[in-house]
Amino acid sequence: KAGVTQTPRYLIKTRGQQVTLSCSPISGHRSVSWYQQTPGQGLQFLFEYFSETQRNKGNFPGRFSGRQFSNSRSEMNVSTLELGDSALYLCASSFGQVGTGELFFGEGSRLTVL
Amino acid sequence: AQSVTQPDIHITVSEGASLELRCNYSYGATPYLFWYVQSPGQGLQLLLKYFSGDTLVQGIKGFEAEFKRSQSSFNLRKPSVHWSDAAEYFCAVGAAGGTSYGKLTFGQGTILTVHP
Repeated sequence: KAGVTQTPRYLIKTRGQQVTLSCSPISGHRSVSWYQQTPGQGLQFLFEYFSETQRNKGNFPGRFSGRQFSNSRSEMNVSTLELGDSALYLCASSFGQVGTGELFFGEGSRLTVL
Repeated sequence: AQSVTQPDIHITVSEGASLELRCNYSYGATPYLFWYVQSPGQGLQLLLKYFSGDTLVQGIKGFEAEFKRSQSSFNLRKPSVHWSDAAEYFCAVGAAGGTSYGKLTFGQGTILTVHP
């Protein structure tokens, strides 16, 4: 059974640009969550999607957005990039039951903003 | 608000020695508790989880953890550490119900170094 797949694995952008990251969940999982990991702030929850609807959202500015497609694949977008957006962005999938179930993480997309 | 504290930022042990990584959480209701491991440049792998029932849970790679409600702790243990266990370990708490979909609150992590 294939795991969570994230693309691209590495990317470099400059300030002011935008970036789109992609996540394909485990087959059968309908929930996709996104996390940002930085050395200073650690792992922080961005948002969660289930059946193409955002059900939960963390405390990030509106520059961070996401969406989910009918096949459960998800994308997140960061507009007007800032240096502080440099991070490892992790996607996790689950069946999406009530509460926080067991999350399965991908290997992440490492974004560097210059 | 829920929070997780991992008091030890960095732990060094010798191969074959026992290991205990500490985790304390703050949560107003029944928590779900997790331990994840992350190798450099990799994502998070779930070691074990506690949802309910037996407070001593077994995980992969020979790890176990004990949930102690009275101490708000969920410490991770391994009787004999292998060099391949060197990684960063994260404790996390989630909600047993409600609308906390997909949201885990993580501790700051403990880096484990294993000496041969």
